Amino acid sequence: EDQVTQSPEALRLQEGESSSLNCSYTVSGLRGLFWYRQDPGKGPEFLFTLYSAGEEKEKERLKATLTKKESFLHITAPKPEDSATYLCAVQASGTYKYLFGTGTRLKVLA
Amino acid sequence: DAGVIQSPRHEVTEMGQEVTLRCKPISGHDYLFWYRQTMMRGLELLIYFNNNVPIDDSGMPEDRFSAKMPNASFSTLKIQPSEPRDSAVYFCASSPDRGSYGYTFGSGTRLTVV
Repeated sequence: EDQVTQSPEALRLQEGESSSLNCSYTVSGLRGLFWYRQDPGKGPEFLFTLYSAGEEKEKERLKATLTKKESFLHITAPKPEDSATYLCAVQASGTYKYLFGTGTRLKVLA
Repeated sequence: DAGVIQSPRHEVTEMGQEVTLRCKPISGHDYLFWYRQTMMRGLELLIYFNNNVPIDDSGMPEDRFSAKMPNASFSTLKIQPSEPRDSAVYFCASSPDRGSYGYTFGSGTRLTVV
């Protein structure tokens, strides 16, 4: 059965304290892995798509990487405005449906 | 572009009543998705449309749920009769393709059934 697991569930960082969020997946062939950011009371906002192991994408303080079993979202020198829930989703081969993880709630303290 | 527009933002209804959620996708996006988000189950795909045609409704929980897309700029998700376990945030999203480059989500409708 296809599965996506995110860890940790919640993370508190001091401003400037770099860290990584994990997304582990089990799918029968990966079409794509996606990262989204969700602020309270809003819909998820697309960040990155990764297609193959070894691929990396960057946007401001965020960097996403992909292996054959997991993806990491690295946050370098975070700021309070980076506080949000970060969601990971996968598309398995043979389907275009997303399977979402339950997210990591990130809080960055000033 | 105003993005994906959903209405209402909040809906409180009594058990047994009919509820209709509305969505206007981004112009030119051929794919429209309805998701439900709860604390317990996260984001779940209910149904998606391509060019106004329902493609996969396997996520619709039961016959009480129905969705339509009468034209490229409007879709509805209807629950009749509503039950307390239907309480959740319902999101509509659209995409120019099958999501390979991400979806654009609306702000959601928070449904509370009492």
